[in-house]
Amino acid sequence: NAGVTQTPKFQVLKTGQSMTLQCAQDMNHNSMYWYRQDPGMGLRLIYYSASEGTTDKGEVPNGYNVSRLNKREFSLRLESAAPSQTSVYFCASSERSSNYGYTFGSGTRLTVV
Amino acid sequence: AQSVTQLDSQVPVFEEAPVELRCNYSSSVSVYLFWYVQYPNQGLQLLLKYLSGSTLVESINGFEAEFNKSQTSFHLRKPSVHISDTAEYFCAVSEVDTGRRALTFGSGTRLQVQP
Repeated sequence: NAGVTQTPKFQVLKTGQSMTLQCAQDMNHNSMYWYRQDPGMGLRLIYYSASEGTTDKGEVPNGYNVSRLNKREFSLRLESAAPSQTSVYFCASSERSSNYGYTFGSGTRLTVV
Repeated sequence: AQSVTQLDSQVPVFEEAPVELRCNYSSSVSVYLFWYVQYPNQGLQLLLKYLSGSTLVESINGFEAEFNKSQTSFHLRKPSVHISDTAEYFCAVSEVDTGRRALTFGSGTRLQVQP
């Protein structure tokens, strides 16, 4: 009963370094999402993938890129990390449309120093 | 564009007391509405959702929410809370039939249940 798996769980980066956050789901869901969570701001959508082979920008895409590698995997890349990207990142997946509700991963806590 | 407002960032309440967490939304089209719960150091879990039909929806652990279209609200209530209900609660909205398939979340309400 893995659901949505995110790696790593914690990461500290220096300003300017790059990294990729990994996300995989085993529920055969079509749609996948990346959100960031910051205190007092709730969750803000970075990118989403409605189906395999498609990606779209969300509310806060600047500084990020994504890859929908296959139906299971959706990665988020920070090319040149900045302190403003210090946050908790959540991956989620859903069936064909969001009205089914999301299944969330447990999050990646990223600190950029 | 859709938006969600949760006016209360924190709600302290004593155990066995009733609680209401407020959620208001804004959208020019019909919406689906959701409440999610986040326990410390965990991801979000779906608590309940309104898609259509009865405006009162219930969760398995005693929470309920009522969709009020005229007030554009979807407040979450529980008649008697437990210590284990301490968590952060997020209201979320998605628009029906617009092609946009991602949820918009509110800023969250931290429920603190005290003994």
